[in-house]
Amino acid sequence: GAGVSQTPSNKVTEKGKYVELRCDPISGHTALYWYRQSLGQGPEFLIYFQGTGAADDSGLPNDRFFAVRPEGSVSTLKIQRTERGDSAVYLCASSRSLPNYNEQFFGPGTRLTVL
Amino acid sequence: AQSVAQPEDQVNVAEGNPLTVKCTYSVSGNPYLFWYVQYPNRGLQFLLKYITGDNLVKGSYGFEAEFNKSQTSFHLKKPSALVSDSALYFCAVRDKGNDMRFGAGTRLTVKP
Repeated sequence: GAGVSQTPSNKVTEKGKYVELRCDPISGHTALYWYRQSLGQGPEFLIYFQGTGAADDSGLPNDRFFAVRPEGSVSTLKIQRTERGDSAVYLCASSRSLPNYNEQFFGPGTRLTVL
Repeated sequence: AQSVAQPEDQVNVAEGNPLTVKCTYSVSGNPYLFWYVQYPNRGLQFLLKYITGDNLVKGSYGFEAEFNKSQTSFHLKKPSALVSDSALYFCAVRDKGNDMRFGAGTRLTVKP
């Protein structure tokens, strides 16, 4: 079937605005991850969902960042009061839950630019 | 906490020659190690992983990687490089937790 999809592919916003980034995982994958990739860096872990619940949100940089997955499928990453430093590519990945060494399948990412 | 290092920002090889992209890791327990490739404007694609067992792991597109516990390394290799292998390569490590730590990436350029 289809792979992981993310919308929008690009988002330009102004400093202080609120943005939502959407991820649609592979059907049947109960594990969902959000990463942030800055220029010249590898992906940085943000948050992990097992089903509907955020099992590990230790990577969220501050309380302006929040993510939900209300029905255990689509997830939305929400960023409040955006700052220029939030500019990056936001990647979503999904995988089967167990075992936990299953490879993750990544979406194409959303490039966020905060002016 | 686990981490990986990719000591080379850039690797250049001629088509047909063998290639190696280096990765070293640090983890407290037994590591799960991964290689991903990223083509321009595309998502990361899984290449291969080491979980346990045979130290030589074979993956997609003719790539393989060798797990070396004493040197804490997991170098990516291919016997004969193709121009189409040119891309950004990421090594990643995961222990028993939920987060996967990625290296900064190595840009591989294969010249005709």
